Amino acid sequence: EAEVAQSPRYKITEKSQAVAFWCDPISGHATLYWYRQILGQGPELLVQFQDESVVDDSQLPKDRFSAERLKGVDSTLKIQPAELGDSAMYLCASSSSGQVTGELFFGEGSRLTVL
Amino acid sequence: ILNVEQSPQSLHVQEGDSTNFTCSFPSSNFYALHWYRWETAKSPEALFVMTLNGDEKKKGRISATLNTKEGYSYLYIKGSQPEDSATYLCASSHSGRRALTFGSGTRLQVQP
Repeated sequence: EAEVAQSPRYKITEKSQAVAFWCDPISGHATLYWYRQILGQGPELLVQFQDESVVDDSQLPKDRFSAERLKGVDSTLKIQPAELGDSAMYLCASSSSGQVTGELFFGEGSRLTVL
Repeated sequence: ILNVEQSPQSLHVQEGDSTNFTCSFPSSNFYALHWYRWETAKSPEALFVMTLNGDEKKKGRISATLNTKEGYSYLYIKGSQPEDSATYLCASSHSGRRALTFGSGTRLQVQP
């Protein structure tokens, strides 16, 4: 069964360091999402891609976060510099369409701890 | 900012018990409602996507209903099993901003 791949699963870093997460969606899925889940809260959308274009990045803290999906396939989310409040689970999801009537397929997430 | 509320936050039941959770969302400009199950150390998995008022969906022992006029959805689990232990997330979409807004989840623990 096709899966969304994410790496690393766990990352511990010190504040002010740079960190990057990678996501490979299900083959053929045009829409890719990055979510952040802070402990005790629900996942919050950081950025949505349709192919290689950003559709929604209104909640992305652009002073320190960046995301790209250069060839419209896999994607990288970067944080520089990391802050203590960035400690969270970073989830990647993909869907075959950009419509919210289609289910999302999630990866297992990347858990970030900033010390 | 849309507010999606889930209750209860956590729930402990015995194997064989039936249980239900609530998801409340803004009723205005409703577009879609999603339910996901998230087991520890695994990825969230879609249970249902619902769009129509009065919609009812079922998957095995799990079912869900949707009331878009009053802004709530119920998730029911009949005869809970230990493998049902997970966090259940709901998320809604509205025409102003199509992106899903998630609730903080209901954490279910089923004791054998």
